[in-house]
Amino acid sequence: SAVISQKPSRDICQRGTSLTIQCQVDSQVTMMFWYRQQPGQSLTLIATANQGSEATYESGFVIDKFPISRPNLTFSTLTVSNMSPEDSSIYLCSVEDLRTTLSGANVLTFGAGSRLTVL
Amino acid sequence: SQKIEQNSEALNIQEGKTATLTCNYTNYSPAYLQWYRQDPGRGPVFLLLIRENEKEKRKERLKVTFDTTLKQSLFHITASQPADSATYLCAPEGGSYIPTFGRGTSLIVHP
Repeated sequence: SAVISQKPSRDICQRGTSLTIQCQVDSQVTMMFWYRQQPGQSLTLIATANQGSEATYESGFVIDKFPISRPNLTFSTLTVSNMSPEDSSIYLCSVEDLRTTLSGANVLTFGAGSRLTVL
Repeated sequence: SQKIEQNSEALNIQEGKTATLTCNYTNYSPAYLQWYRQDPGRGPVFLLLIRENEKEKRKERLKVTFDTTLKQSLFHITASQPADSATYLCAPEGGSYIPTFGRGTSLIVHP
């Protein structure tokens, strides 16, 4: 399965600032997904990013707050804008696993996540 | 709205016993359901997938059942080991073939 590198692994940010998280994959993938995992909560899908088109955001998430770039088939960024303490969370990048093709279901491979703390 | 329920309390068992984790879902009918393992500081790792027309799926010491009438999946680890200690996430397909995740259940296997 693909190997995903996320940067930064963790950061402490000030309220009102923005931070961009990078996701690098070692192989070309069509779909990339950004999830958020708040303390004690489930993984929540923020958006799906396809190369060459605008990201598709889930209910409750908007582009102004979480702009996403997908310049090529191996890279994506998620920006958390104008951060508040409520944005403190782990942000995870994921891609379709090769088993997705074999199984017809979206099996995901995840990066290690970026842990953001907003003061 | 779609809801996924996993036991929020940690499951503590002795090494060698069978661990059974429960996942219940409501208000939808997923075409498949996945289970993932998550260790502290890491992203989830895929373990097993079971389809709506399958009753049971096995992989080594792991077994998953899927009861679409009860809207429930059970995840079993037989002959459990301390290395099996982790959080296990249930992920039914949530529409558009993208999995949605439960909060997970923490499993602690004591030597």
